[in-house]
Amino acid sequence: EVQLVESGGGLVRPGGSLRLSCTASGFSFSNYDINWVRQAPGKGLEWIAHISNSGYTIRYAESVEGRFTISRDDAKNSLYLLMSILTVEDTAVYYCARRTAGDAFDVWGQGTVVTVSS
Amino acid sequence: AIQMTQSPSSLSASVGDRVTITCRASQGIRDDLGWYQQKPGKAPKLLIYATSNLYSGVPSRFSGSGFGTDFTLTINGLQPEDFATYYCLQDFHYPWTFGQGTKVEIK
Repeated sequence: EVQLVESGGGLVRPGGSLRLSCTASGFSFSNYDINWVRQAPGKGLEWIAHISNSGYTIRYAESVEGRFTISRDDAKNSLYLLMSILTVEDTAVYYCARRTAGDAFDVWGQGTVVTVSS
Repeated sequence: AIQMTQSPSSLSASVGDRVTITCRASQGIRDDLGWYQQKPGKAPKLLIYATSNLYSGVPSRFSGSGFGTDFTLTINGLQPEDFATYYCLQDFHYPWTFGQGTKVEIK
């Protein structure tokens, strides 16, 4: 079964850091671009980061640029999001999503919850 | 950043109705637009990619159209399982941006 599973969410204080992971199975992870998308409580979807299959192309939303770092380890079929200088506005469900050759997000993880609170 | 404006933000409809949701881009995005369905507490699901291409396994009552700045998602014959929130997403230019969502509720 083609699957993405996020982990690493939790409660963190403002100003703190957290690393999320996304582990893939059922497909050739190294062949695909992968993204992070988040959803604040009761709000819409927000794309926040992209990494190409080679790792060469990386892009961020303005809201996280300079604070978040996306990376991948193809040997471990894993994607990461290192989040630092967290604020309450970063509280959200964080999803990883695979991007197809047709340029759409066809496989999503179940999400991991990040709560930034004092 | 390219702004994606969806309308309406919510609508009430009955089973069997035809529903149309629109998405307008603040600048031309060719056909680089997808549509996603999300149910409460669940991850989004891909419905349509590249404006009008139906993703595998998605019922044919869903269709998409448009080009440039104006796009439409149509559901012909709304079914009970279609009550959800729908989002468009442009991937023409970074930062990729979603519309604010359209919640389809039962009348």
